[in-house]
Amino acid sequence: GAVVSQHPSWVICKSGTSVKIECRSLDFQATTMFWYRQFPKQSLMLMATSNEGSKATYEQGVEKDKFLINHASLTLSTLTVTSAHPEDSSFYICSASYRVENQPQHFGDGTRLSIL
Amino acid sequence: LAKTTQPISMDSYEGQEVNITCSHNNIATNDYITWYQQFPSQGPRFIIQGYKTKVTNEVASLFIPADRKSSTLSLPRVSLSDTAVYYCLVGDRNAGNMLTFGGGTRLMVKP
Repeated sequence: GAVVSQHPSWVICKSGTSVKIECRSLDFQATTMFWYRQFPKQSLMLMATSNEGSKATYEQGVEKDKFLINHASLTLSTLTVTSAHPEDSSFYICSASYRVENQPQHFGDGTRLSIL
Repeated sequence: LAKTTQPISMDSYEGQEVNITCSHNNIATNDYITWYQQFPSQGPRFIIQGYKTKVTNEVASLFIPADRKSSTLSLPRVSLSDTAVYYCLVGDRNAGNMLTFGGGTRLMVKP
């Protein structure tokens, strides 16, 4: 089955630091990747959608200058949380899909981000 | 994107069949119905996907009535390890499979 790898799985850093999270599709070419954020005991909230080679589309209320998304290849997308603050602490999850009918999204295992 | 409504939580016992129903009254013609399972601190895992009637795989069955305004995920003979949150999603197969997550159903399987 399709595998999406996310790295790192867990990061703790000081306030003001920028953190980069990688999302890779290991055995398929992901034409579209999605980034979600999940707070404890809540559902996943879509942050942005990125297509390979083009700018990401951000959901309403998500600061694009705060959460930088790069989708430079068909197997890699990165999310950079710039100048992170404690309120950015959350569980970040990526998913990937390829533009074939009936293909579901495949999710990474998430990144737990804790800002001190 | 079609909105989904599911029960917030369900309890069951080991060995029982569990049916989780999801309402999606404004489902569009191009929308597929997909169910995911999520354990704590993990990403959602794909369970099953369907468009109409019945779909069955090695872990679950998905029942979709003719009007497609609801769907039922059926888990046969659940075990303790099936304790998780289950999400029903509908998405346009022609829109890059973008999905909107609802609240999900928290299933607790008891011994």
